[in-house]
Amino acid sequence: QSVLTQPPSASGTPGQRVTISCSGSFSNIGSNTVNWYQQIPGTAPKLLIHSNNQRPSGVPDRFSGSKSGTSASLAISGLQSEDEADYYCAAWDDSLNGYVFGTGTKVTVL
Amino acid sequence: EEQLVESGGGLVKPGGSLRLSCAGSGFIFSNAWMNWVRQAPGKGLEWVGRIKSKPDGGTTEYAVPVKGRFTILRDDSKRMVYLQINSLKIEDTGVYHCSTGIFLDNWGQGTLVTVSA
Repeated sequence: QSVLTQPPSASGTPGQRVTISCSGSFSNIGSNTVNWYQQIPGTAPKLLIHSNNQRPSGVPDRFSGSKSGTSASLAISGLQSEDEADYYCAAWDDSLNGYVFGTGTKVTVL
Repeated sequence: EEQLVESGGGLVKPGGSLRLSCAGSGFIFSNAWMNWVRQAPGKGLEWVGRIKSKPDGGTTEYAVPVKGRFTILRDDSKRMVYLQINSLKIEDTGVYHCSTGIFLDNWGQGTLVTVSA
């Protein structure tokens, strides 16, 4: 079972801002950086944010990440129809000595 | 362009074994840490394990549910990473992706493993 907790769903209309939370503990988010992935159904996941708030080349600046204590969040501003996907947070867990993913959040564009 | 292509999936009976392969191209394979991540049908992502590059020690780490049954190997001369899966269980069913780097920067499309009697 996932040790990082995300809301199962989030939604917004085009142009709106949507925020997804990711709650962990000291051994994962509290001690390591957070990464975020986007998975459009039927396709492979794509790295969206690494090191809490760094966007890989090619990722629009509409996507931003932040971290505070044992929680992190992903914000999508100016929501677009192509943003409809599943989003996962992830971090290394020092207690498990493994990489852990969040439960995933399905974003729907209304 | 960095590319990863997995192969080796299929239908296997519980208790059986399977070896998945991942071919990498478009990057310096020998310097890359390689991960395996799986996704059960309709479920979320689950990290399976990783192997570091040889310059970084070449060591492996595994998720608790698969430790002792799964083994990750690499052959840098062939630009390949492998996932050997033994004592397969029904709950091992899913798509298995390989992915590069500490951040899991790039992903292959995956190969489907189905464990069923």
